[in-house]
Amino acid sequence: KAGVTQTPRYLIKTRGQQVTLSCSPISGHRSVSWYQQTPGQGLQFLFEYFSETQRNKGNFPGRFSGRQFSNSRSEMNVSTLELGDSALYLCASSLGTSGTQETQYFGPGTRLLVL
Amino acid sequence: AQSVSQHNHHVILSEAASLELGCNYSYGGTVNLFWYVQYPGQHLQLLLKYFSGDPLVKGIKGFEAEFIKSKFSFNLRKPSVQWSDTAEYFCAVNGFSSSNTGKLIFGQGTTLQVKP
Repeated sequence: KAGVTQTPRYLIKTRGQQVTLSCSPISGHRSVSWYQQTPGQGLQFLFEYFSETQRNKGNFPGRFSGRQFSNSRSEMNVSTLELGDSALYLCASSLGTSGTQETQYFGPGTRLLVL
Repeated sequence: AQSVSQHNHHVILSEAASLELGCNYSYGGTVNLFWYVQYPGQHLQLLLKYFSGDPLVKGIKGFEAEFIKSKFSFNLRKPSVQWSDTAEYFCAVNGFSSSNTGKLIFGQGTTLQVKP
């Protein structure tokens, strides 16, 4: 079974621009969670989508948004980029239907550099 | 609020040495617990997990972890490390609550360097 895939793998943007990152979950997985990884803050939860609905959200500003499509693929968007948005953005998928006993499987991430 | 603390930020061991990485969490209810590993240049991989039952869980590559509920701990162990275990290790928690759906709280990570 193919793993979680993320595109693009690397991205360079300038301040003020916006960016869209894509995540394709493992086949059959309906939940997609997004995380931001930085050296200073570590891994932080952004949001989770299930059946095209945002079920949970972390403490990030409204510039960070996401969506999920009917095939469970998910995108996250960051508008008005700031230097501090430079990070590795990770996507993880899980079945989403196992109640609280869910295991998340991670993709390779998209490394975003904001200049 | 949930939080996870990993006590060792950087550990250096020689091959064949024993490993124990500490992880403590803060959450008042039932939890799911995970250890993930990130090898250089690779993505996060699941080492092992605890949902319920036997508090001693075994994972891949000879790793094991013990859940001690009274101490809010989930320490990772390996009796004999290899050079290939050089990586960053993350402890993660998911608390049983509808408000925690799909949300893992990670510790800051421990960088393990194994000297050949």
